Amino acid sequence: EPEVTQTPSHQVTQMGQEVILRCVPISNHLYFYWYRQILGQKVEFLVSFYNNEISEKSEIFDDQFSVERPDGSNFTLKIRSTKLEDSAMYFCASSLAGGGTDTQYFGPGTRLTVL
Amino acid sequence: AQSVTQLGSHVSVSEGALVLLRCNYSSSVPPYLFWYVQYPNQGLQLLLKYTSAATLVKGINGFEAEFKKSETSFHLTKPSAHMSDAAEYFCAVSEEGTGRRALTFGSGTRLQVQP
Repeated sequence: EPEVTQTPSHQVTQMGQEVILRCVPISNHLYFYWYRQILGQKVEFLVSFYNNEISEKSEIFDDQFSVERPDGSNFTLKIRSTKLEDSAMYFCASSLAGGGTDTQYFGPGTRLTVL
Repeated sequence: AQSVTQLGSHVSVSEGALVLLRCNYSSSVPPYLFWYVQYPNQGLQLLLKYTSAATLVKGINGFEAEFKKSETSFHLTKPSAHMSDAAEYFCAVSEEGTGRRALTFGSGTRLQVQP
């Protein structure tokens, strides 16, 4: 069964450093998402991406964050200058279409630790 | 704005007992509702979803949920718990007709199944 994959599973970085989290969505899916979950808190939406542009973003997704689909398979989340409060589990998801009923398939997550 | 409340961050049941995980939502437009499950070190997996068709929705692994508009609830049930059901369960909502694809999650309920 096709699945969303994410690398690395765990990333440790120093405050102020740039990190890139990588995701490979399901191959025929057209919509891509990033969510995050700070330890002990809710899963929060960050951004959705379609047709090589951001279609929706939350207030969390400020200028420190960017997303890119650099090739036909990868979808990345970049944090330019990490802060302590960026420590969280980051989940990538993809869906075949973008309707409200379309199932979003989630990857296993990348745990980001900022020291 | 939409929101989800899951009552009970931890629920413990005996194997073979009824599982009831509670979810209440708030939405200004008709909602789409989802239950996801997360097993340790895995991504979020869709259990079932309500998309304004039948109010009683059956999902995988014997789970079902009933949409009750008058109670703004979408509680998840399973008649007989199995040890393999131990996981974290998340209720989520998206909004019909708004074009928004972001899922809003509840804070999750960790289910323990005692032998």
